[in-house]
Amino acid sequence: AQSVTQLGSHVSVSEGALVLLRCNYSSSVPPYLFWYVQYPNQGLQLLLKYTSAATLVKGINGFEAEFKKSETSFHLTKPSAHMSDAAEYFCAVSGYTNAGKSTFGDGTTLTVKP
Amino acid sequence: GAVVSQHPSWVICKSGTSVKIECRSLDFQATTMFWYRQFPKQSLMLMATSNEGSKATYEQGVEKDKFLINHASLTLSTLTVTSAHPEDSSFYICSAPKTDSYFSYEQYFGPGTRLTVT
Repeated sequence: AQSVTQLGSHVSVSEGALVLLRCNYSSSVPPYLFWYVQYPNQGLQLLLKYTSAATLVKGINGFEAEFKKSETSFHLTKPSAHMSDAAEYFCAVSGYTNAGKSTFGDGTTLTVKP
Repeated sequence: GAVVSQHPSWVICKSGTSVKIECRSLDFQATTMFWYRQFPKQSLMLMATSNEGSKATYEQGVEKDKFLINHASLTLSTLTVTSAHPEDSSFYICSAPKTDSYFSYEQYFGPGTRLTVT
């Protein structure tokens, strides 16, 4: 069984400030972990993924995430927020089988203040 | 990269009618596709797994007679909402998995279809 918990349904930061979006997972097998971004009325875009190759994963648009097995966490960070980062962010977990069938967190809305 | 398209991007229909939504993988083959439903300000809810050449697998609580899924080819899956009602109004998203260089699956999402039932 797999599950994802995103702590904080809303996060607000000032432009230029650090972005930290939290994700904790539960999985009975070594997980694959993903962060996606969704803009209004659009599909999901992959920001980055963890597939056991490296614990610190760098993604697009300056985002990165660190897989911490001891904490069962996969938090998303960006050193300096940009106005264009305002969106909905989803953390997801999948296993090796079932064609990567994924379980999504509830999402975090990121607001960036000028 | 891999591209997944959906058609239509938005549709308005009258209560009691049926609506078909297409999901296509444009540059890769997908024996499996996933269909999700998303209500405003909420997460994606997996509705069903579409399997090429066999019946779809529905998640618990999803009416398979209402949400008909047909995986007609290796690049096309369709979702038909039958006898639509206003409560079926939602954003429907599909995804198609593709294995990457690490032999793990990566999901490629369609842009979504906004269904409004009046």
